[in-house]
Amino acid sequence: RKEVEQDPGPFNVPEGATVAFNCTYSNSASQSFFWYRQDCRKEPKLLMSVYSSGNEDGRFTAQLNRASQYISLLIRDSKLSDSATYLCAVNRGDKIIFGKGTRLHILP
Amino acid sequence: DAGVTQSPTHLIKTRGQQVTLRCSPKSGHDTVSWYQQALGQGPQFIFQYYEEEERQRGNFPDRFSGHQFPNYSSELNVNALLLGDSALYLCASTSTPYQETQYFGPGTRLLVL
Repeated sequence: RKEVEQDPGPFNVPEGATVAFNCTYSNSASQSFFWYRQDCRKEPKLLMSVYSSGNEDGRFTAQLNRASQYISLLIRDSKLSDSATYLCAVNRGDKIIFGKGTRLHILP
Repeated sequence: DAGVTQSPTHLIKTRGQQVTLRCSPKSGHDTVSWYQQALGQGPQFIFQYYEEEERQRGNFPDRFSGHQFPNYSSELNVNALLLGDSALYLCASTSTPYQETQYFGPGTRLLVL
């Protein structure tokens, strides 16, 4: 089992819809969690850190479920510009492990 | 405020050759991490440099080595290149080794023929 797993997608979602993806992790000692956005042929950019209490930034909401060992990202009122690959990352203490990413296509 | 810069942007090498990639961290950052991102995969941690020493290392062979200079810039060296080394090599910097908010550079795209 991979240490950090994501559904690779693609998720094809109409503009304005709400979309959510999960990311599961296997190391229960993992300390902190992140969502990154990566556009085609570009570098990853930090979207959100994920806190135990959950956090929200505009249309984006991230949540952590330690009991079930997953994090989630919810995007409301999706825009064409949200089309990208979303990478989750888990800090297990000695290094940060990335998932393979979930591809999101927002359709006009 | 200068972000993370990397050079070159693209590189083509042949099997068996050696390559050196360079990274300058974001202004005010002293810690540099290197990642390899193969097509369709997430970034994989190679190693981290702080105070001119390798502080942590991922599961990469000794063919991958690095260096950090007093000005905090860093190099990644790969010897005896294999076809499988073709990837996007990303450098990320943080303000301390324990700071988790990483800023990535644009990457160097390496193709090994």
